[in-house]
Amino acid sequence: DSGVTQTPKHLITATGQRVTLRCSPRSGDLSVYWYQQSLDQGLQFLIQYYNGEERAKGNILERFSAQQFPDLHSELNLSSLELGDSALYFCASSADLWTAGEQYFGPGTRLTVT
Amino acid sequence: SQQGEEDPQALSIQEGENATMNCSYKTSINNLQWYRQNSGRGLVHLILIRSNEREKHSGRLRVTLDTSKKSSSLLITASRAADTASYFCATHSGYSTLTFGKGTMLLVSP
Repeated sequence: DSGVTQTPKHLITATGQRVTLRCSPRSGDLSVYWYQQSLDQGLQFLIQYYNGEERAKGNILERFSAQQFPDLHSELNLSSLELGDSALYFCASSADLWTAGEQYFGPGTRLTVT
Repeated sequence: SQQGEEDPQALSIQEGENATMNCSYKTSINNLQWYRQNSGRGLVHLILIRSNEREKHSGRLRVTLDTSKKSSSLLITASRAADTASYFCATHSGYSTLTFGKGTMLLVSP
């Protein structure tokens, strides 16, 4: 158990809808990362937050947004969903800002868009 | 685009055999990390090797790094069925975040 929790485990929704994925980092970790994993694209970094502030952006679509709250949990919002957004979404956390160390991954949320 | 590329894409061996996976990357790195992912689950950190290190061991894992060839290898000795998983290398460069390869799927048969 990494100490990172994600809810929900599974999400099935229709195209055009909006969903929110939630992540609680390990106790004491200030950095939260979001990744998308699909068969064709592999594991893609989406965005990083550190202590409430956005620190790095990867291949995140404009339809997606995220935030980190004062209690350090984070939410990833996906809107105007398309079939291609079906994937595993992982949250990871680490203690430091610059990500030089290891990251601790949550169990993921499997999103299916029908 | 992927920084690290693992090879082979898939590997099937018998219990007790050794498994070797390779990772190649394109730009200079601060460190390289290996992660394991059991089917559909979160990634688990295995080992981190810094750019000034050439070899590192952790239990049955041995990682080598050759910065001149921009490559790393992960050796799992005396493999077990429980080692069946996907293995990813991830590189850290500059002030960027980790960049993951597409992984090697390892199947260890009893």
